[in-house]
Amino acid sequence: KNEVEQSPQNLTAQEGEFITINCSYSVGISALHWLQQHPGGGIVSLFMLSSGKKKHGRLIATINIQEKHSSLHITASHPRDSAVYICAADYMNTGNQFYFGTGTSLTVIP
Amino acid sequence: KAGVTQTPRYLIKTRGQQVTLSCSPISGHRSVSWYQQTPGQGLQFLFEYFSETQRNKGNFPGRFSGRQFSNSRSEMNVSTLELGDSALYLCASSARRPSTDTQYFGPGTRLTVL
Repeated sequence: KNEVEQSPQNLTAQEGEFITINCSYSVGISALHWLQQHPGGGIVSLFMLSSGKKKHGRLIATINIQEKHSSLHITASHPRDSAVYICAADYMNTGNQFYFGTGTSLTVIP
Repeated sequence: KAGVTQTPRYLIKTRGQQVTLSCSPISGHRSVSWYQQTPGQGLQFLFEYFSETQRNKGNFPGRFSGRQFSNSRSEMNVSTLELGDSALYLCASSARRPSTDTQYFGPGTRLTVL
């Protein structure tokens, strides 16, 4: 079954803290995507990963294909990072259709 | 480049009516995917169009349909609306198929069914 599990569901951090959000998927994937959704609904694609690690500014995404697990890290968190972070799996057995995690609501307090 | 646009942004309908939502992708993008987002079910894939052909469809009833035009603009239609169809409907475009390319999301259409 093409499931995606994400944790934690909610996260509150102090400004400057290092944050980790986890995502697990069930079977082989073509790619794992990390998305950011701000209040109001707009979604931005942060990373598309099929192996290894990617970095963009203070955001780092990693994936372990053998363990079927991905993490999104935010270094030196800032209040503007407050958003919902969603992982999405593009499974090989379906292809080109995403299965989404339930999202992690992050609040960074100044 | 202009981003993905969706019209209308807000819509109120009553049960039994039908609705058509529109999505204009980024210029040059050939793939458009549609998603439904609700508080209970989260984000769910509806369908994907590429070069005017539906390539994938999610687990939704036949009341949900769509099409893509030669200029890549896409519409989705929901017939015989139910209360449970109230949701944020998002479209996303990419130059190539979503498995191989970053998707760019529109702002969404918030549909309320009364």
